[in-house]
Amino acid sequence: GAVVSQHPSRVICKSGTSVKIECRSLDFQATTMFWYRQFPKQSLMLMATSNEGSKATYEQGVEKDKFLINHASLTLSTLTVTSAHPEDSSFYICSALLAGATDTQYFGPGTRLTVL
Amino acid sequence: DQQVKQNSPSLSVQEGRISILNCDYTNSMFDYFLWYKKYPAEGPTFLISISSIKDKNEDGRFTVFLNKSAKHLSLHIVPSQPGDSAVYFCAASGAGNTPLVFGKGTRLSVIA
Repeated sequence: GAVVSQHPSRVICKSGTSVKIECRSLDFQATTMFWYRQFPKQSLMLMATSNEGSKATYEQGVEKDKFLINHASLTLSTLTVTSAHPEDSSFYICSALLAGATDTQYFGPGTRLTVL
Repeated sequence: DQQVKQNSPSLSVQEGRISILNCDYTNSMFDYFLWYKKYPAEGPTFLISISSIKDKNEDGRFTVFLNKSAKHLSLHIVPSQPGDSAVYFCAASGAGNTPLVFGKGTRLSVIA
């Protein structure tokens, strides 16, 4: 149980285009999902907290107009990288919070974005 | 300021021996700790967790120890297997729906 999927797993796009990444909790409902970014040889960096039915909360330094997050249902959150640039190339990972006695985050497999 | 620190970027262990991965934290509000395992180009996989009310949690070959006074936790893997070779992230969380704070990870290499 507690499976989180991401789609696509890998995407290559041209500079200036927008890319949408989907994060789904397959067998549980998640009111809270998180989006992370990982740069090479660095830790996961939290970008934003996505709450179902409300606006996402962005971490300091993360542009909300560039990284659009929508959490329209209890099993789906999307991250749209708008007007992508080569410096946006990175590994994007989402996680979904399985609420309970001990809240545990389950991670998606990640999306490798390459902007040419 | 790093709240969760994994001071060893890498560790090599022989197959069959014990692997010990260490993690230190600074925020006394953290009350839940997790270890994740990550293979290249994949998302982290939850491994084991421990609540601050415990000092040990065991799951098969994996045991996590928590020393609250020292703000230190460790993950023991015994016996180590080549398939355990991966990057291990320590993560900590406060109460409620707070996001995890991750360490930078330790790359474990288990040599056959």
